[in-house]
Amino acid sequence: RKEVEQDPGPFNVPEGATVAFNCTYSNSASQSFFWYRQDCRKEPKLLMSVYSSGNEDGRFTAQLNRASQYISLLIRDSKLSDSATYLCVVNPSNTGKLIFGQGTTLQVKP
Amino acid sequence: GAVVSQHPSWVICKSGTSVKIECRSLDFQATTMFWYRQFPKQSLMLMATSNEGSKATYEQGVEKDKFLINHASLTLSTLTVTSAHPEDSSFYICSVPGVVAFFGQGTRLTVV
Repeated sequence: RKEVEQDPGPFNVPEGATVAFNCTYSNSASQSFFWYRQDCRKEPKLLMSVYSSGNEDGRFTAQLNRASQYISLLIRDSKLSDSATYLCVVNPSNTGKLIFGQGTTLQVKP
Repeated sequence: GAVVSQHPSWVICKSGTSVKIECRSLDFQATTMFWYRQFPKQSLMLMATSNEGSKATYEQGVEKDKFLINHASLTLSTLTVTSAHPEDSSFYICSVPGVVAFFGQGTRLTVV
């Protein structure tokens, strides 16, 4: 079983749609969780950290369920510029050594 | 501005040659840096942990004699791919740990 699993997609959605990505992780002792965005041939960029209480940043909402070892990302009112690969990332021990999911590809179409 | 600078951003080399990739922490000193590799349509996989002033720690399955890591100062780590082969063609990227990870721009290596 992979340490961090994501549905690779691709998700093809029209502009304005709401789309949700899911991720599961295997290490129940994991300490911190993130969503990163990666554009083609570029480095990953932090989108948001994920907290048990849930957190929102504009059109993006992230949620963590520690009991189910499940992380989600919701994107509302999708824009063309949201097209990218979204990486679910887990820091098992707060050492900075990150475990990446395969990434979920989103393509927003006009 | 960039926190981590990685160079070169891309390189094409002949099979059998060696390639050096540099990762510089611009804003703060880093006793630890991480090197990742990403093959097409796959996730970033940790290759090794670069430790300032001591040997790097390699992940299982990564050949330490092929991927030489030197962390000679608190702001610079280098990864040298020795005797590169086409199967080493990949996207190599470094990161500096912090409250969140800071990534270099990545290096796309193509071995022909």
